[in-house]
Amino acid sequence: DAKTTQPTSMDCAEGRAANLPCNHSTISGNEYVYWYRQIHSQGPQYIIHGLKNNETNEMASLIITEDRKSSTLILPHATLRDTAVYYCIVRAGGIGTSYDKVIFGPGTSLSVIP
Amino acid sequence: NAGVMQNPRHLVRRRGQEARLRCSPMKGHSHVYWYRQLPEEGLKFMVYLQKENIIDESGMPKERFSAEFPKEGPSILRIQQVVRGDSAAYFCASSPRAGPSYNEQFFGPGTRLTVL
Repeated sequence: DAKTTQPTSMDCAEGRAANLPCNHSTISGNEYVYWYRQIHSQGPQYIIHGLKNNETNEMASLIITEDRKSSTLILPHATLRDTAVYYCIVRAGGIGTSYDKVIFGPGTSLSVIP
Repeated sequence: NAGVMQNPRHLVRRRGQEARLRCSPMKGHSHVYWYRQLPEEGLKFMVYLQKENIIDESGMPKERFSAEFPKEGPSILRIQQVVRGDSAAYFCASSPRAGPSYNEQFFGPGTRLTVL
């Protein structure tokens, strides 16, 4: 899996948008960008994924740059319950791809401040 | 559809005992993954199994650890002769058999193993 770099920690005011950056400059053509988060003491939770187009779901938006070397996860209205470690992961996807392990980096520890 | 189930949620063992951790994947999922998270550290992949087969065990310690995913029943992660360094949270994840355009993994709540 391609390597990713993320800031170690970030703060965000409650109610504001949280923008979490991720660099993945060595991403290859068949690799997707996935985001997971881990709230303290819980199992990781899938958030969103994308290949090259921007994606949005009920939890978040994912913005991928045109060259695919970086992306940003956006939580539009952060709440205290969004305080967690956020992991940006790149891994192969697509029909016929082997169901490979997820390689977690250290992630970004997001603190939502009241 | 129930999520990934793990039990027990908490397990205490004395050094030298055996620990057996169980994982029931989501309905219809036949791919199971085990991860370990040591205190204050990140998640590390251990093993990937399909029904009755070990696909990738590159993250498993060479001794004392084994995993299985039988045709019937949950996946089992077994740790023999536990040591204090085995104290960690062990997470199981599952993914569906027939892939859509992606292979998202769904994680269970974890089993917290404490070795006294």
